[in-house]
Amino acid sequence: EAGVVQSPRYKIIEKKQPVAFWCNPISGHNTLYWYRQNLGQGPELLIRYENEEAVDDSQLPKDRFSAERLKGVDSTLKIQPAELGDSAVYLCASSASFGETQYFGPGTRLLVL
Amino acid sequence: AQSVTQLGSHVSVSEGALVLLRCNYSSSVPPYLFWYVQYPNQGLQLLLKYTTGATLVKGINGFEAEFKKSETSFHLTKPSAHMSDAAEYFCAVSYNYGQNFVFGPGTRLSVLP
Repeated sequence: EAGVVQSPRYKIIEKKQPVAFWCNPISGHNTLYWYRQNLGQGPELLIRYENEEAVDDSQLPKDRFSAERLKGVDSTLKIQPAELGDSAVYLCASSASFGETQYFGPGTRLLVL
Repeated sequence: AQSVTQLGSHVSVSEGALVLLRCNYSSSVPPYLFWYVQYPNQGLQLLLKYTTGATLVKGINGFEAEFKKSETSFHLTKPSAHMSDAAEYFCAVSYNYGQNFVFGPGTRLSVLP
């Protein structure tokens, strides 16, 4: 069974540029999570989807971050414009349903110069 | 607000020695508790979890953890370290099973030959 797929694995951009990350969850998983992991810290939840509905986006900086999960499968997380402080690893996870074990993708490592 | 502390950002043990990684949470309400492992350039993988029942939980790769309510702790142990155990370990809590996780800052385990 394929795991959670994320792309790109690495991204280097200049500040003020836009960037997008893509996540393909495990087939059949209804719940999808986006986390941000700063260097030396644990992951912090940005947004959680139940199917195509964003049910918890309280930690998402809405002035520059946006996310979508069209058709309740793949998801895209966007930053526009990126700031130096956005440099981090962005992790996607999925679970069969809310409360089940979360399976994580390898992450996208973003460096903003 | 719920929080998780992991004593020691970096722990080094010799191969074959006992591994002890500490995790404490802040709450008077028993949480659900998790340990995740993250290998370099990979996503997080669930090692074990405690929800209810037996307080000693066994996980993958020979790891186990014991929930001690009186100490608000959920320390991770392994009797004999292997080189392949070198990784970052994260403790996480949620206060209703499936509620969004709060991750600890992580402990990097090094295993010396």
